[in-house]
Amino acid sequence: EAQVTQNPRYLITVTGKKLTVTCSQNMNHEYMSWYRQDPGLGLRQIYYSMNVEVTDKGDVPEGYKVSRKEKRNFPLILESPSPNQTSLYFCASSKSHSNTQYFGPGTRLLVL
Amino acid sequence: LAKTTQPISMDSYEGQEVNITCSHNNIATNDYITWYQQFPSQGPRFIIQGYKTKVTNEVASLFIPADRKSSTLSLPRVSLSDTAVYYCLGGRGSGNTGKLIFGQGTTLQVKP
Repeated sequence: EAQVTQNPRYLITVTGKKLTVTCSQNMNHEYMSWYRQDPGLGLRQIYYSMNVEVTDKGDVPEGYKVSRKEKRNFPLILESPSPNQTSLYFCASSKSHSNTQYFGPGTRLLVL
Repeated sequence: LAKTTQPISMDSYEGQEVNITCSHNNIATNDYITWYQQFPSQGPRFIIQGYKTKVTNEVASLFIPADRKSSTLSLPRVSLSDTAVYYCLGGRGSGNTGKLIFGQGTTLQVKP
């Protein structure tokens, strides 16, 4: 089944404790991206990747890191999480940036 | 500055036609306009995509005027199950980048 998977789905952590949210797609898509979703603000892009080893900032990249070492994986790294990063995070992939985005199920993060 | 704007919320009744308009002031010549639907606890999913004039599928219609700076998603005869958040994707960041700009999302509440 074609899908985007994210892990973990739920995470509670404390300020400053490094964490990684994994994202994997099995559709051989070149484009992948991360979004955060907050009430009233909709979907805001954090980082995107046009292809392996090619990443760039979205609208809200501060406090986040990404890497794209393999085509299928695009992990989101929070080196020192803060409470304002409490949010719902979505990973998405597509053939290219102009094609249909396929979203993962989301990761709900709470930073205490 | 690229900006995608849509109403925050709309109410409707079962059986009515619902039209949601999105403004995308910085749409590039070769960009498509895409709409997504999101139910609670799920990632957004593709509804419809168009480039100009009118596109119709089994779920919705999409109307795009000649200047392409706005688009209208039309849902015919809505039912309770159409209650969801609808996102417009109508542009990218400045320049030929892969950055994607979603609208804030329109929460559609369908009442019996």
